[in-house]
Amino acid sequence: SQQGEEDPQALSIQEGENATMNCSYKTSINNLQWYRQNSGRGLVHLILIRSNEREKHSGRLRVTLDTSKKSSSLLITASRAADTASYFCATVPGAGNKLTFGGGTRVLVKP
Amino acid sequence: GAGVSQSPSNKVTEKGKDVELRCDPISGHTALYWYRQSLGQGLEFLIYFQGNSAPDKSGLPSDRFSAERTGGSVSTLTIQRTQQEDSAVYLCASSLVAGQGAGYGYTFGSGTRLTVV
Repeated sequence: SQQGEEDPQALSIQEGENATMNCSYKTSINNLQWYRQNSGRGLVHLILIRSNEREKHSGRLRVTLDTSKKSSSLLITASRAADTASYFCATVPGAGNKLTFGGGTRVLVKP
Repeated sequence: GAGVSQSPSNKVTEKGKDVELRCDPISGHTALYWYRQSLGQGLEFLIYFQGNSAPDKSGLPSDRFSAERTGGSVSTLTIQRTQQEDSAVYLCASSLVAGQGAGYGYTFGSGTRLTVV
């Protein structure tokens, strides 16, 4: 079973609007990571938030983490057509050593 | 190298043939991971290496799948007697070290799109 589950599965917005997607996970984590994937090929690491952090910013990206609810959110502000991609959250569950990915959120930004 | 390099980028093979997929990680990255992604799906973990050893190969779907890593660098994923259900994008990633405590993101290659006909 997947450690991370993204919600919604798909999102369609107009350029300039904000896009928010959520991720829930099941076990304790040390950190949670968000990745972007364009055109079904390689993933790009966007941001990593540690379990003792509640919010982190990187450019137009804002990530929150609520360890009590085992959930995270990714906000993309002032979206652009180039933000069209699939976004995945990923965690290393328990004492493991491998990232486990959710099913992703497909974001379409219409110009 | 500057990034994670995978080859070939695309591979079409006949059912029953063997294929080898190659991954060249970032120089100095000790951890290397293989994932598989079917069309429109999430990433499925296959195997990870720390150095040349594979502490976790729990994701390999069957004994037709094997992987090795030599010199702490290049890794090869081999699929024997390919089946149509093996068709997917095979992604390789590397990180400085393994382990959740390390707090390092992964760097992914562009993947190999395997099509079994």
